Amino acid sequence: DAGVTQSPTHLIKTRGQHVTLRCSPISGHKSVSWYQQVLGQGPQFIFQYYEKEERGRGNFPDRFSARQFPNYSSELNVNALLLGDSALYLCASSLGPQLGPSNYGYTFGSGTRLTVV
Amino acid sequence: GQQLNQSPQSMFIQEGEDVSMNCTSSSIFNTWLWYKQDPGEGPVLLIALYKAGELTSNGRLTAQFGITRKDSFLNISASIPSDVGIYFCAGFNNAGNMLTFGGGTRLMVKP
Repeated sequence: DAGVTQSPTHLIKTRGQHVTLRCSPISGHKSVSWYQQVLGQGPQFIFQYYEKEERGRGNFPDRFSARQFPNYSSELNVNALLLGDSALYLCASSLGPQLGPSNYGYTFGSGTRLTVV
Repeated sequence: GQQLNQSPQSMFIQEGEDVSMNCTSSSIFNTWLWYKQDPGEGPVLLIALYKAGELTSNGRLTAQFGITRKDSFLNISASIPSDVGIYFCAGFNNAGNMLTFGGGTRLMVKP
């Protein structure tokens, strides 16, 4: 079975541009979460989507938005890019919106490396 | 917001040595997770802890969930070169839908 797939793997954008990152969850997983990992730091939560609805939002500006499609894949959009948006963007999928002993899987993709110049 | 303080930031050890790293928080977490991240990859789950005081092993890895629910440690016994990487602790919020990560411990193993 394929794991969490993210595209593209690498991306270079100019300040002020817009970017769309894509994520396909593990087959059967209905929840997708997005994280931003700046170099040298741990990942930071951006969004969680479950059944096409936003279920959680981290402390990120409105320039960041996301959506989930009927096939449970997801897009993360960032407008008006800043140099500080340069990071590894990680997508994680899980069966449902909450994790616990009965819902063990929270699997990360390999990420999209975004560089803003 | 919630923060996890992870230490040490980096470790350079000899192959065969045991390793210990820990994580503390000013807030209570109901679930603690330990992840390993290799260069160019996403974090991979190593151990999950769900109960205060719980001690769990996974091969050469052992992790404990602190009694106060504000700390956790990870031990690696008899380290090998493939243990090299960055180890992260993480805790789930009460809703169970958002992970807060520590800053990571970079482990380097000398053959």
